[in-house]
Amino acid sequence: DAGVTQSPTHLIKTRGQQVTLRCSPKSGHDTVSWYQQALGQGPQFIFQYYEEEERQRGNFPDRFSGHQFPNYSSELNVNALLLGDSALYLCASSLTGQGGEKLFFGSGTQLSVL
Amino acid sequence: QQQVKQSPQSLIVQKGGISIINCAYENTAFDYFPWYQQFPGKGPALLIAIRPDVSEKKEGRFTISFNKSAKQFSLHIMDSQPGDSATYFCAAIPYNNNDMRFGAGTRLTVKP
Repeated sequence: DAGVTQSPTHLIKTRGQQVTLRCSPKSGHDTVSWYQQALGQGPQFIFQYYEEEERQRGNFPDRFSGHQFPNYSSELNVNALLLGDSALYLCASSLTGQGGEKLFFGSGTQLSVL
Repeated sequence: QQQVKQSPQSLIVQKGGISIINCAYENTAFDYFPWYQQFPGKGPALLIAIRPDVSEKKEGRFTISFNKSAKQFSLHIMDSQPGDSATYFCAAIPYNNNDMRFGAGTRLTVKP
């Protein structure tokens, strides 16, 4: 049973560019959440997708957007990259009905903005 | 944005000792308090969790103690092993909400 998979594992971009990160949830899960983890910090909630719609959003600007596909996989898009966007981006999946608590995290995408 | 304060930042324990990590929160709407373990290059993995209607939960060598009136909770790792060396995060999430708030993390090193 595959867990949460994310791609790519590492990415280097320059300021102003756009980036797309991808996530496949754990088998049987229908909800995907995205988190940003800065170096030495805990993860911060970006948003959650369920039934192909953004269900809840954290305190992140509109430069951060997402999408969920019918097969429950998800993408995170970040436009107009800033140096401060450098972080580990984590995808977490869960099953609706079990609450937002039982999150299974992927290994993340390490984004470096130069 | 951080609503969960975690201490200490780092902790060194001898093999066989007890590791204790503390967290405090302010938002009384939080009703689920998990602890996550993260190894380098990996995402966080759920270790153990508690709801505020109980004061303690134990799973193997891991115990959560919860003090609702003080708005504090802690993780105790008994008989700590070198394999426990990782970063530990406390977290909290309100009822019917999906925005889980994490502490800043504690880097635990267990010396053999």
